[in-house]
Amino acid sequence: NAGVTQTPKFRILKIGQSMTLQCTQDMNHNYMYWYRQDPGMGLKLIYYSVGAGITDKGEVPNGYNVSRSTTEDFPLRLELAAPSQTSVYFCASSYLDRDDQPQHFGDGTRLSIL
Amino acid sequence: EDQVTQSPEALRLQEGESSSLNCSYTVSGLRGLFWYRQDPGKGPEFLFTLYSAGEEKEKERLKATLTKKESFLHITAPKPEDSATYLCAVQASGNTDKLIFGTGTRLQVFP
Repeated sequence: NAGVTQTPKFRILKIGQSMTLQCTQDMNHNYMYWYRQDPGMGLKLIYYSVGAGITDKGEVPNGYNVSRSTTEDFPLRLELAAPSQTSVYFCASSYLDRDDQPQHFGDGTRLSIL
Repeated sequence: EDQVTQSPEALRLQEGESSSLNCSYTVSGLRGLFWYRQDPGKGPEFLFTLYSAGEEKEKERLKATLTKKESFLHITAPKPEDSATYLCAVQASGNTDKLIFGTGTRLQVFP
């Protein structure tokens, strides 16, 4: 049981390039999330999904896109990379039913845009 | 506006020196309060969930408590391996899809 797996672990992009951050979970969780974490700041929610085919914006969605075609996968797309998107990105998943369950996190993707 | 504030930002302790971390929250109806531990280069790792004032949970040297306005993470006789950043997050009753995170307390325990 691998939990939440993120790839790549590190990436350097040039301004204007695009890339997809991959996230997959093997816990059959219905909810999945993307956060960014900047130094001295709390985790900020970018997008989340309550199930396959359903996504919604979080607190800081501008410059990002997501899709959820399967329960397991929730990729995050950066279309035109900007220096302000330099950050550590975390994917998380959880199973929400009558008893709230905690979010389980991957180990992050460290992204630098130069 | 829902908000979470953690203090102190950083805490340095000698091994064995007990202390507490604070998480103050303002939320329109608390559904749950979560504590996470984050090691450098890793994602947050779940520690506890608290649901109602007066509730307490323990795990090894850690004990989390909850009141109507704040939560404390008490660390008893800490060891160097307890060094990490501790994150607090709240889930509001009217918005159970999301967590609101504090900025964390960075704990360093020296031998």
